[in-house]
Amino acid sequence: DTGVSQNPRHKITKRGQNVTFRCDPISEHNRLYWYRQTLGQGPEFLTYFQNEAQLEKSRLLSDRFSAERPKGSFSTLEIQRTEQGDSAMYLCASSVSTLAPEQYFGPGTRLTVT
Amino acid sequence: ILNVEQSPQSLHVQEGDSTNFTCSFPSSNFYALHWYRWETAKSPEALFVMTLNGDEKKKGRISATLNTKEGYSYLYIKGSQPEDSATYLCAHTSGTYKYIFGTGTRLKVLA
Repeated sequence: DTGVSQNPRHKITKRGQNVTFRCDPISEHNRLYWYRQTLGQGPEFLTYFQNEAQLEKSRLLSDRFSAERPKGSFSTLEIQRTEQGDSAMYLCASSVSTLAPEQYFGPGTRLTVT
Repeated sequence: ILNVEQSPQSLHVQEGDSTNFTCSFPSSNFYALHWYRWETAKSPEALFVMTLNGDEKKKGRISATLNTKEGYSYLYIKGSQPEDSATYLCAHTSGTYKYIFGTGTRLKVLA
């Protein structure tokens, strides 16, 4: 399967714990995006990478969130000191670097903070 | 702030029924509208990318139209089947990488 993959698919954690999610984009895609979807809402943009450079961060991404994309390949999203409000589906997408490119999504990581 | 809205939020139809949903968006700063189908436990799957006013696209029993002047797109499903059950998302872009999604329409097709 050469699509976008995400791990883990589900994560249950206790409030205050740190969690890390991984996204592996389509190999020839140099752009990578993270979105968050909460109940009853559409996916909301969190951050975006062009190769290894993080070029934009939404104000939704508090200081407890950090994303990296070392070597411009896979990406990780870490949430420190999780809160119940962090419970959501975290989606990753990738694309080529054209104007308004089509984004290809992974299946998401569902986070539940108890 | 750009607001993309979808209606209805959820829909139950009988197998064989035809159905349609709406995505509305501000008509200024429009570049493209994307439709995705998102089945439970799977990745959102791209259905259509629509850019031109009056665009009509078709994929099997699913089709979509676009009106950029009034800011809406319709998605139609003819002869719904249980495998069409999914959440249908639309996403607006104004010419950058950033997608603004609607809240989705959750479709359940009853056998």
